[in-house]
Amino acid sequence: AQSVTQLGSHVSVSEGALVLLRCNYSSSVPPYLFWYVQYPNQGLQLLLKYTTGATLVKGINGFEAEFKKSETSFHLTKPSAHMSDAAEYFCAVSDRNTDKLIFGTGTRLQVFP
Amino acid sequence: SQTIHQWPATLVQPVGSPLSLECTVEGTSNPNLYWYRQAAGRGLQLLFYSVGIGQISSEVPQNLSASRPQDRQFILSSKKLLLSDSGFYLCAWGGTTYEQYFGPGTRLTVT
Repeated sequence: AQSVTQLGSHVSVSEGALVLLRCNYSSSVPPYLFWYVQYPNQGLQLLLKYTTGATLVKGINGFEAEFKKSETSFHLTKPSAHMSDAAEYFCAVSDRNTDKLIFGTGTRLQVFP
Repeated sequence: SQTIHQWPATLVQPVGSPLSLECTVEGTSNPNLYWYRQAAGRGLQLLFYSVGIGQISSEVPQNLSASRPQDRQFILSSKKLLLSDSGFYLCAWGGTTYEQYFGPGTRLTVT
């Protein structure tokens, strides 16, 4: 069965600092991987996705993630945090047998001035 | 382009009352559709998903039901709400590479 683990339910950074949100997955088949962002009282917005090809994926708002098969990881990074990046971030892996997504429990990012 | 709508945006209902939440998608045909719930401070729980009209799969036994009367319409219902049904309800449609696109959500408070 597929699963997703997000290390750290809360991450705090200073404005301008590097953002690193961790995601590890388990999958018996080559995974499709996703990062979503959720602002308070809003739906989830797709930040980026990895399907095949280049393992470094760039998304919206300056975020990127790297698929590392050997480490079963798909960590999300951003070189310089903005106050507007404060939100909840979810990592997800596809269950291609059933068209469902398996979500991690989320990481709340706080950005301090 | 595709858009997804949910209504109402917020709802306060007494225990024991019925519920109907609606989700509609524009700009795509025969999408997979999904209902999720987020309880306060918790992650996403998949409630139902549908691969076509009248085809509903339930993920967890509960007080809720779903229906898909039209290709791009997905409805979440309950005959009698419980306090534990409170939460943030999200509808989503599935893209071609397994990604999902979410609606704005409905905040349900059962009192």
